[in-house]
Amino acid sequence: EPEVTQTPSHQVTQMGQEVILRCVPISNHLYFYWYRQILGQKVEFLVSFYNNEISEKSEIFDDQFSVERPDGSNFTLKIRSTKLEDSAMYFCASSQRDPKIDGYTFGSGTRLTVV
Amino acid sequence: QKEVEQNSGPLSVPEGAIASLNCTYSDRVSQSFFWYRQYSGKSPELIMSIYSNGDKEDGRFTAQLNKASQYVSLLIRDSQPSDSATYLCAVNSGNTGKLIFGQGTTLQVKP
Repeated sequence: EPEVTQTPSHQVTQMGQEVILRCVPISNHLYFYWYRQILGQKVEFLVSFYNNEISEKSEIFDDQFSVERPDGSNFTLKIRSTKLEDSAMYFCASSQRDPKIDGYTFGSGTRLTVV
Repeated sequence: QKEVEQNSGPLSVPEGAIASLNCTYSDRVSQSFFWYRQYSGKSPELIMSIYSNGDKEDGRFTAQLNKASQYVSLLIRDSQPSDSATYLCAVNSGNTGKLIFGQGTTLQVKP
């Protein structure tokens, strides 16, 4: 069964450093998302991406965050200057058809630890 | 602030019993609703979606939706120890497919 692939599975970074989290969505999918889950808390929406542009972003997704789909297969989340509170599990997700009806498939996640 | 509320549990049921998981949501215009299962340390896995009032069945799972009461539930029949996980209720918000998740209910199925 096709999977959404995320790398790395675990990233440790120093506060203030830039990190790039990578995702390879399922190949014929058109809708892409990033969510995060702080330990013990809810899964929170960060950003949605469709037709090569951001379609919606949350209040969390401030100027320190950016997304890119550089080559038609990868979908990346960049955090420019990490803070301690960015420590969380980051999930990429993708959907082929209307996600309002079909939902989407999540990747296995990247655990980001900011020290 | 649009909210999705779930009882965090844990909900403990014996093997073979029916587990009933509940969720309420605040945004009256929400159109579609999802149940995800999340094992500890893993990513959410889609179990079911529902967008019409009433029941929707898929194997041992039945999702129920009551838009007037802003209430969604998930029934798991013949619960198995492998069903032990956190069940996340998620509500679609807007046109981009954005989901708002509840806190999740932890289900423990005891052999």
